[in-house]
Amino acid sequence: DTAVSQTPKYLVTQMGNDKSIKCEQNLGHDTMYWYKQDSKKFLKIMFSYNNKELIINETVPNRFSPKSPDKAHLNLHINSLELGDSAVYFCASSPRDSYYGYTFGSGTRLTVV
Amino acid sequence: SQELEQSPQSLIVQEGKNLTINCTSSKTLYGLYWYKQKYGEGLIFLMMLQKGGEEKSHEKITAKLDEKKQQSSLHITASQPSHAGIYLCGADTPSGGGADGLTFGKGTHLIIQP
Repeated sequence: DTAVSQTPKYLVTQMGNDKSIKCEQNLGHDTMYWYKQDSKKFLKIMFSYNNKELIINETVPNRFSPKSPDKAHLNLHINSLELGDSAVYFCASSPRDSYYGYTFGSGTRLTVV
Repeated sequence: SQELEQSPQSLIVQEGKNLTINCTSSKTLYGLYWYKQKYGEGLIFLMMLQKGGEEKSHEKITAKLDEKKQQSSLHITASQPSHAGIYLCGADTPSGGGADGLTFGKGTHLIIQP
């Protein structure tokens, strides 16, 4: 029973397209996140959502927009994709008291051609 | 903002040897997480340290947080091919509320030679 699941696992698309990545967690966690891992494996936070409210937005382009239909889902929409958006995107979740762990999804490898 | 520096950036170790990976923070650590990532896969939680001087072990992996809470080390004893991957340290915010997520180091690539 997957705790944090992302779909799709792989996504290849052309420049200029609009795409979405879905994320669902069944842990009952309060906060969900999106991270981007670049080609050098550096993992950096993009967004976090807590009870449907955006908490932080780490200077990512406004072409990226997180959408949370409910507490268990946080989807990532990307408009007008660019070559530099190619990366692995990870969804994660944590309980209110994060000292007890962040759980990550298995990642979505996005390739823009 | 908090920055984490990991060393070494990459490490090649002969199977059976011990190794240590370090993670140094620019600010006091309130929650330090170690994750392992196999190439092309997701992050696997290893351990979380919170208190100065704390040490945790799981199988052949031991993680420590220094008394000043600015440095952590991950030690692997008698390394095996299954230990190969990218090791990432991540730091929580002082509030520990989780809303800010984790700040990660740039990772240590570990290769185990048979």
